[in-house]
Amino acid sequence: DGGITQSPKYLFRKEGQNVTLSCEQNLNHDAMYWYRQDPGQGLRLIYYSQIVNDFQKGDIAEGYSVSREKKESFPLTVTSAQKNPTAFYLCASSISAQPQHFGDGTRLSIL
Amino acid sequence: DAKTTQPNSMESNEEEPVHLPCNHSTISETDYIHWYRQLPSQGPEYVIHGLTSNVNNRMASLAIAEDRKSSTLILHRATLRDAAVYYCILSPIAYSGAGSYQLTFGKGTKLSVIP
Repeated sequence: DGGITQSPKYLFRKEGQNVTLSCEQNLNHDAMYWYRQDPGQGLRLIYYSQIVNDFQKGDIAEGYSVSREKKESFPLTVTSAQKNPTAFYLCASSISAQPQHFGDGTRLSIL
Repeated sequence: DAKTTQPNSMESNEEEPVHLPCNHSTISETDYIHWYRQLPSQGPEYVIHGLTSNVNNRMASLAIAEDRKSSTLILHRATLRDAAVYYCILSPIAYSGAGSYQLTFGKGTKLSVIP
């Protein structure tokens, strides 16, 4: 079955450490997105990419970085500059402006 | 960005119909109306979308007001598995420049289903 796979499901970060969240899709979608969700809140866009080797900042990109070297993959790095990284991270993909398909998320916590 | 307004929470009895309202008075003629739902600790799931006419699929129906300034998601028979947060979101019809693919998620409506 086609879909989006996020890994790991749970992740812990130490102070001063960078961590990378994986997102892979086999839907042949051009566009991919990263969102952050805090408890009781809606989703906020971190980064998005409409084609390979190109990506744009969303509303809350500070402290995060991404790459899009392959169509299927859009990893997100949470850097040490992100002072409040504890959240639920969601990856999504779509064909242009069509509805987005979401993964099951990665829950990041601070040790 | 065009915004939507939804009630914070609603309750429904199991096996009864549920009407979830959404106001979007600043909607553009090039905006789709999308509905997603999110179960606890899961990613959002696409439910339905429409532009001007009412839409039906296996999950739900979408009723769009004639002036497009409001819409209603209809679950015909609520089940316990329908308990979730429902998001009403506006999305452009086609790519029109940087940022146009973004979906703006508000807090949505938390639907509780009573057995």
